[in-house]
Amino acid sequence: DAGVIQSPRHEVTEMGQEVTLRCKPISGHNSLFWYRQTMMRGLELLIYFNNNVPIDDSGMPEDRFSAKMPNASFSTLKIQPSEPRDSAVYFCASSLAGVDTQYFGPGTRLTVL
Amino acid sequence: QKEVEQDPGPLSVPEGAIVSLNCTYSNSAFQYFMWYRQYSRKGPELLMYTYSSGNKEDGRFTAQVDKSSKYISLFIRDSQPSDSATYLCAIRKNQGGKLIFGQGTELSVKP
Repeated sequence: DAGVIQSPRHEVTEMGQEVTLRCKPISGHNSLFWYRQTMMRGLELLIYFNNNVPIDDSGMPEDRFSAKMPNASFSTLKIQPSEPRDSAVYFCASSLAGVDTQYFGPGTRLTVL
Repeated sequence: QKEVEQDPGPLSVPEGAIVSLNCTYSNSAFQYFMWYRQYSRKGPELLMYTYSSGNKEDGRFTAQVDKSSKYISLFIRDSQPSDSATYLCAIRKNQGGKLIFGQGTELSVKP
């Protein structure tokens, strides 16, 4: 069974460029989470969706970040324009709503030069 | 003050040692407590889950919650090199609510 799929696995871009990260949750899961992990701040929740609807986006750092979930099998996290301080590993996770086990993807390692 | 505090380590122990990993949290409203394990260059995976106070055991792993002290622990018995990873505690107030993670403790078990 495929787990959570994220692409790309690595992204190197220059400051000011648009970055789009993609996630395919586990089939049948109806909650999807975007996290960011850095050495300084650890693992932080950016936004989560239930049934494709954003529920809590209080962790989105600023307007440069946006996330969408157009259907149950796909989500994107976009950063525009990107800045060096956005460099981090971005994880997507999915779960069944109301169930505590979240399944994480392998992450996208983003470097903004 | 952070809602959950965890010593980032690193922690290095010999194979076979008992490992104790800990977190403290600030809000007594938290009821759900989890431990995730994260291998290098991988996503976290759920290791242990506890609701409210008490102990839970799973093989070599024991999770302990002391709500009166706002303190959670993970014990690993007979530690193995394959246990080398970063261990993150996670807490939440309500079922289905937002998970808040600790900083993670990096553990290395030397053969």
